[in-house]
Amino acid sequence: AQSVTQLGSHVSVSEGALVLLRCNYSSSVPPYLFWYVQYPNQGLQLLLKYTSAATLVKGINGFEAEFKKSETSFHLTKPSAHMSDAAEYFCAVRISGSARQLTFGSGTQLTVLP
Amino acid sequence: DVKVTQSSRYLVKRTGEKVFLECVQDMDHENMFWYRQDPGLGLRLIYFSYDVKMKEKGDIPEGYSVSREKKERFSLILESASTNQTSMYLCASTGGGVYNEQFFGPGTRLTVL
Repeated sequence: AQSVTQLGSHVSVSEGALVLLRCNYSSSVPPYLFWYVQYPNQGLQLLLKYTSAATLVKGINGFEAEFKKSETSFHLTKPSAHMSDAAEYFCAVRISGSARQLTFGSGTQLTVLP
Repeated sequence: DVKVTQSSRYLVKRTGEKVFLECVQDMDHENMFWYRQDPGLGLRLIYFSYDVKMKEKGDIPEGYSVSREKKERFSLILESASTNQTSMYLCASTGGGVYNEQFFGPGTRLTVL
């Protein structure tokens, strides 16, 4: 079964510092990968998705992620954290052969310190 | 602007009550999903539907049922609510295609006393 692992349930960074949120997937076939963000008391919003067109994917709010097949990773980064980036972030993988289901990681809560 | 709406943001029910959570999407999507979200566990799929009157069990269907009578509406039913069903419930929808993302509603925070 395909799955994703997010390393670090809580990450704290200072405002202006690099943000790095880790996601590793397990898949025997090319995966379809997504990053979502959830602000307090809201639903999930898509940040970016990997479509195999390019290994470096740019998303909204200055976030990007790089697909590395050799490392089975899809880490999310942002060069300079802003206070408004404080939220929970979820990595998700689509089950190959199905256009429907996503499997989500357990989430990483990002805190941005002033 | 695409939209998924859920009938309630907050709900408080008593043990044993029958609970209905409603979800409506305006994007003409074939696929709709119900998840529950608990701290440290991420999102877990309860049920999904890929067409009107069709449903499939997700990872944690026990204690839940669903109904999809119209394409835009997907209901989650707790036949007899229990305290361990206290959670955040999220509805989502998506069209066909492997690259299509899921669109989420704002969530319903259900408390069962």
